[in-house]
Amino acid sequence: EPEVTQTPSHQVTQMGQEVILRCVPISNHLYFYWYRQILGQKVEFLVSFYNNEISEKSEIFDDQFSVERPDGSNFTLKIRSTKLEDSAMYFCASPGGAANTGELFFGEGSRLTVL
Amino acid sequence: KNEVEQSPQNLTAQEGEFITINCSYSVGISALHWLQQHPGGGIVSLFMLSSGKKKHGRLIATINIQEKHSSLHITASHPRDSAVYICAVYNTDKLIFGTGTRLQVFP
Repeated sequence: EPEVTQTPSHQVTQMGQEVILRCVPISNHLYFYWYRQILGQKVEFLVSFYNNEISEKSEIFDDQFSVERPDGSNFTLKIRSTKLEDSAMYFCASPGGAANTGELFFGEGSRLTVL
Repeated sequence: KNEVEQSPQNLTAQEGEFITINCSYSVGISALHWLQQHPGGGIVSLFMLSSGKKKHGRLIATINIQEKHSSLHITASHPRDSAVYICAVYNTDKLIFGTGTRLQVFP
């Protein structure tokens, strides 16, 4: 069973719509990361989240993006008003404990298609 | 210029060949990951290194902190090793990814 589960696996949305992507760990992970990968390009860092606060964010992570841990276990990435260029695979990852301590567990990814 | 560079970008091998993939980085790091991404898109962590060398089965990863360079070796390559191999470095609290090396191993 995967350490990190992401939902939905694929979402198609209209430009301008809000999208929420979810990440659920099995064990008690403290660190979370969101990354995205536009088709054919490299994986890019979006945001790191530690103990219910944003630790670091990239230039990509503008005001359209937000992260939350609404119930202490689920971990969400919200895109408020999607643009065509938001179409990508979004990955959630967690080191399973303190950052930089070992294996990094990735979710299977959520493919977002914006029309 | 990318902060993490990988070479080669594409690699084709015959089954049984010894494979080397290289990674160079230009930023300060606390650790380096080698990751494997399969055609379906899923990413799996292979190694995390902060110094020296690690081995897992047919895979060996090395890192030279002074030279800011890491290598991933695959001994006795097999068609199931076909995937994209990604080097990623921890810089402050984020991972910076290389562009990946696409490996195809033919029987």
